[in-house]
Amino acid sequence: DAGVIQSPRHEVTEMGQEVTLRCKPISGHDYLFWYRQTMMRGLELLIYFNNNVPIDDSGMPEDRFSAKMPNASFSTLKIQPSEPRDSAVYFCASSLGGGTYEQYFGPGTRLTVT
Amino acid sequence: GENVEQHPSTLSVQEGDSAVIKCTYSDSASNYFPWYKQELGKGPQLIIDIRSNVGEKKDQRIAVTLNKTAKHFSLHITETQPEDSAVYFCAASNGGNNRLAFGKGNQVVVIP
Repeated sequence: DAGVIQSPRHEVTEMGQEVTLRCKPISGHDYLFWYRQTMMRGLELLIYFNNNVPIDDSGMPEDRFSAKMPNASFSTLKIQPSEPRDSAVYFCASSLGGGTYEQYFGPGTRLTVT
Repeated sequence: GENVEQHPSTLSVQEGDSAVIKCTYSDSASNYFPWYKQELGKGPQLIIDIRSNVGEKKDQRIAVTLNKTAKHFSLHITETQPEDSAVYFCAASNGGNNRLAFGKGNQVVVIP
């Protein structure tokens, strides 16, 4: 398996623009997680899905953030409008479920909002 | 919710020496404890994990030990090599929806 795939790897955008980050989980994994990583706050869980259904979005910082999982092989994290403080590395991870708890991370998307 | 803390935040060791990173957790119901290694520009990679029914687990030069009574677990790296230089994250889970609570990370620097 190719592992978790994220795109783009780098994104530079201006404040106020819409940003969409994409993730393809490992095939057969039931759980998908979106994290944000910054020096100040470390790894923060934003939202996670089980079988394409959002389970907990309490980590989403503001209404400007939204996430969808239209099918088992694709998820998006959207920021609209973006702000400079959204600059961070965003990771997607997936997990098999069914009593196995290991999470496998993608390479991340480095977002810079100017 | 679960709170995971890591100490020390930065650790420098001479190549060939051992490195130990310790994590504490707060939720006595936690039963799964993974360690992740993150190299510069990459995502965290799972390197070893342990479940609460086991006290120690080894995989070549790395090992993890768990003390459920004291609610702490440690990562041991023996015969350190320059490629062990990275940020290491510990995490804990009580199995609820597969979510993990992560520590802040430890920067390990192996000095050649």
